[in-house]
Amino acid sequence: KQEVTQIPAALSVPEGENLVLNCSFTDSAIYNLQWFRQDPGKGLTSLLLIQSSQREQTSGRLNASLDKSSGRSTLYIAASQPGDSATYLCAVVNNNAGNMLTFGGGTRLMVKP
Amino acid sequence: KAGVTQTPRYLIKTRGQQVTLSCSPISGHRSVSWYQQTPGQGLQFLFEYFSETQRNKGNFPGRFSGRQFSNSRSEMNVSTLELGDSALYLCASSLVGLAGNTIYFGEGSWLTVV
Repeated sequence: KQEVTQIPAALSVPEGENLVLNCSFTDSAIYNLQWFRQDPGKGLTSLLLIQSSQREQTSGRLNASLDKSSGRSTLYIAASQPGDSATYLCAVVNNNAGNMLTFGGGTRLMVKP
Repeated sequence: KAGVTQTPRYLIKTRGQQVTLSCSPISGHRSVSWYQQTPGQGLQFLFEYFSETQRNKGNFPGRFSGRQFSNSRSEMNVSTLELGDSALYLCASSLVGLAGNTIYFGEGSWLTVV
């Protein structure tokens, strides 16, 4: 059974810092990995999707990497801003699992002005 | 274009009642999935529908059921509500239901069972 873990569970940084969020998964037979952002009381917003054959994806100040063989992904946020404060979730889709996402517990990020 | 729309956004029900939640996917999307989010268990997969057929089902009791209509709109139903069913229920849609497509979520339906 796939298990996804995110470390740290919470993170507080001053504005302008570069930061890395970690995600690990136990079963490397994944089809893809997706990073989401969730603001309090809201739904999830997709940030980046990495296919299993890819090593990284970039969107603006965000860069996500994937090392399938070691079961790890990182989300790098450059020059953090207070507006980046949210919970970040990673989720994987396993092979032969349709579109079923298995989520990590999330990292709650606070960026202080 | 419009995103994933869920109704109602907030509702309060009494133990033992039943509830129906609705989800309209992004136009053209044929895969609809449902998730339950609670502080203790995080986000858990309920079920996925594709072309009106349930393709995957999570580990939830039979009180949780769903269906998808020919226009891809989906509903989920929870019967005999329990206090532990209080949660944010999220609907997600994707283009053709194949792994590899970006999955888009709605704002969710907040269910409180009293």
